[in-house]
Amino acid sequence: DAGVIQSPRHEVTEMGQEVTLRCKPISGHNSLFWYRQTMMRGLELLIYFNNNVPIDDSGMPEDRFSAKMPNASFSTLKIQPSEPRDSAVYFCASSQKTGLNTEAFFGQGTRLTVV
Amino acid sequence: AQTVTQSQPEMSVQEAETVTLSCTYDTSENNYYLFWYKQPPSRQMILVIRQEAYKQQNATENRFSVNFQKAAKSFSLKISDSQLGDTAMYFCAFMSIAGNTGKLIFGQGTTLQVKP
Repeated sequence: DAGVIQSPRHEVTEMGQEVTLRCKPISGHNSLFWYRQTMMRGLELLIYFNNNVPIDDSGMPEDRFSAKMPNASFSTLKIQPSEPRDSAVYFCASSQKTGLNTEAFFGQGTRLTVV
Repeated sequence: AQTVTQSQPEMSVQEAETVTLSCTYDTSENNYYLFWYKQPPSRQMILVIRQEAYKQQNATENRFSVNFQKAAKSFSLKISDSQLGDTAMYFCAFMSIAGNTGKLIFGQGTTLQVKP
């Protein structure tokens, strides 16, 4: 398996534009997580899905942020409209919750810059 | 709510020597998991080592070992025989077993520089 795949790796956009980040989890994994990494706040969980259903979105900062998982192999995180303070690295991670299997596998992240 | 604290923003060590990174956490739960992740300049988050709270024995993975002190809520990472490739940011993370969510709570990270 190629691991968790995120696209794009880098995104530069102007303030006010819509941004869509994409994630393909590892095949067979039933949990998917979106994290954001900034210098000020470190790594924060934004939202997570279990079996394609959003379970906890309490980490989503504002209504400008939305996430979907239309099927087991694809998820998106959308920011509309984007603002400079959204600049960060966004990670997607997936895991397979079976018994005591706890390891989360991370993608390489998308570095978002909003100018 | 659980919290994870890494009090050392930056550390350095000479190649081949040993270094210990500190981590403390706060929780009212009795069963949980603790992790150390490595983030090299490539940005990839790599799992280094995992500890189950119900296990008294400290986890070990080759040159990496932990000192897990449950009563003190301390979880330090020891890197032996440091190598240049160990240069990275290291994150301590907590995962609750309750609810089986798989959510990770991260510390602020420690940047480790291994010097030749």
